Amino acid sequence: EVQLVESGEGLVQPGGSLRLSCAASGFTFSSYAMNWVRQAPGKGLEYVSAITGDGGVTYYADSVKGRFTISRDNSKNTLYLQMGSLRAEDMAVYYCARVKNTLTGYSYYDYWGQGTLVTVSS
Amino acid sequence: DIQMTQSPSSLSAFVGGRVTITCRASQTISSYLNWYQLKPGKAPKLLIYAASSLQSGVPSRFSGSGSGTDFTLTISGLQPEDFATYYCQQSYSSPWTFGQGTKVEVK
Repeated sequence: EVQLVESGEGLVQPGGSLRLSCAASGFTFSSYAMNWVRQAPGKGLEYVSAITGDGGVTYYADSVKGRFTISRDNSKNTLYLQMGSLRAEDMAVYYCARVKNTLTGYSYYDYWGQGTLVTVSS
Repeated sequence: DIQMTQSPSSLSAFVGGRVTITCRASQTISSYLNWYQLKPGKAPKLLIYAASSLQSGVPSRFSGSGSGTDFTLTISGLQPEDFATYYCQQSYSSPWTFGQGTKVEVK
């Protein structure tokens, strides 16, 4: 059974840092690209960052570029999001999600974690 | 970035009823459209991918249609566990973007 379990929830002051983790199980972790997606209170879903299966290529939303770093340790089946220079608008539930690519060229998030809450407040 | 617009933002329906949610893309996205269900405190769930393909394990009362810029998600025979918020998402181009969500509430 595929499982994604986020951790690292916390309260952080503006300008602070926090690292989120996503522990994966039930599949060959290194074979899948992974993403972070967030949902701010009362808002919709927003793509945050992506990383290829081998960790060699990363992507970021403009809103977090230069402040957040996505990484993965395939030996530990774990995805990370290092967040820095946190702002009030970064406050959200952060989800990790597995990217499925079909042979016909379609892509989607086929599994998600339950999310972990990041609160940014002084 | 491609903008995704869902309507309505919320609706109420009876158990057993039929619900249709629409999603419009700001440019053509072929069939690169996915639908997800969100419930508080639970992992989001993929319902439909590639506009009309039902994800394994998802009940057949969920269906999707459309291509180009206009898409719909239909729930036929609404069940109590279907009251949730639904999001469309395009995977045609990066960054992947979501609609603003449609909250389905019990009438």
